[in-house]
Formats: sequence, structure tokens, C-alpha cells
Amino acid sequence: GENVEQHPSTLSVQEGDSAVIKCTYSDSASNYFPWYKQELGKGPQLIIDIRSNVGEKKDQRIAVTLNKTAKHFSLHITETQPEDSAVYFCAASPNTDKLIFGTGTRLQVFP
Amino acid sequence: DAGVIQSPRHEVTEMGQEVTLRCKPISGHNSLFWYRQTMMRGLELLIYFNNNVPIDDSGMPEDRFSAKMPNASFSTLKIQPSEPRDSAVYFCASSLRASNSPLHFGNGTRLTVT
Repeated sequence: GENVEQHPSTLSVQEGDSAVIKCTYSDSASNYFPWYKQELGKGPQLIIDIRSNVGEKKDQRIAVTLNKTAKHFSLHITETQPEDSAVYFCAASPNTDKLIFGTGTRLQVFP
Repeated sequence: DAGVIQSPRHEVTEMGQEVTLRCKPISGHNSLFWYRQTMMRGLELLIYFNNNVPIDDSGMPEDRFSAKMPNASFSTLKIQPSEPRDSAVYFCASSLRASNSPLHFGNGTRLTVT
């Protein structure tokens, strides 16, 4: 089955700096890679996703890159703000029915 | 839309008691998922339904756990009898089963078994 590894487990950045979170996956059949943001006391919320036919996707300050050959994908947040502080999860799946999540990255953005 | 609604938000019970968690998916969504989140194991998929039919329950930890979806707008996750190691946050999520459909999570039920 699929296995997703995520690094780092914690990340602290200064407001305005960039943050990068990396994930690797094991199942070459996986073709859907979403990223979720979880704030305290809430469920994870989808912030961006990418499919295997695309190498990069951007939405304002958030971008995701995918390298299918190396089986890794990354989340990039530019111009970080304190409200970006949360736990971020990557996930992978051969279809949207069964997402396998990474272990999460706690991002802290200091003003 | 109100999103995925879970109840209760918090549940504290004693070991051996029965616990029932409830979920109302987003209207029109035809896939429903139950996840468990702990510090040690992260987010684990317990079971998921398509069109009210259980498709994969391989993540259900033991026979003490059972899930039902009697109709498209309601699902339950039951633990009987509960044990302290069941303490976790349980999330329900729903999606419109299609190749471009994301998962929408509820805000979870925090279960504490003493």
C-alpha cells in the first residue's frame, strides 16, 4: 500500500519569509496529491491539490510542485503571515477514495 | 452549505461504555469517510462508504468498532466497549465521488475514555 513521509515535523519562520514542506510517496500508481491545513480545534481543510499530469500549480502565495520520477512533492508558501501558522498535511492516493496522509508539519510564523 | 457536521464535539466516557459518534455529510456528496487522529499515528482512515455502502473497512482497528450509513445524510461510528486507547479525535469527511472531487472534513469529535 501507499506510504507517505513528510518533513520537517516542525518549521518556524519569520513573517514574510518562505516556508517549504516536502513529502515523498511510495506507490507509483498514486496520481492525486492534496495538501490540507489544520487549525487548532478544526478539521483539515484542503488548500491546494495537484494531479500527476501537472508538474506545478500555484494559487496566490501557495504553490505545489510534483516530481513523479522521484516520487516527491512539495508545498511552498511565500510571504508567510501569522495566520499561516497551523499544521499542514500532505496526502497521496491512486484515487480520491483513499487518501494516505503524511504525519504533518507544524508551521509557526513569528511576527 | 453548513459543511460536514459532527456530534458531539467532545465526549468523555468511562472504559467499557458504548460510544456513538455521528456525522452528517454535505448534501449531495455520495462518499463518506471516518478518520481517527492521534499524536502517535496521525490521520488514519478507518472506513469509507460510497452511496451508503461500506467499501473498505480495513482500517477499523477491532471488532469493537462498527460504522453504519443508513441513508445518504447520516452515518455513525460506534465503539463498544470503549477502551482508554480509543481516545483520539475522530473525523468524518465527505466528497462527491468523482475524479476531481476533494475531501471535506468536519471539525471532529474529541473522545476521551477514562
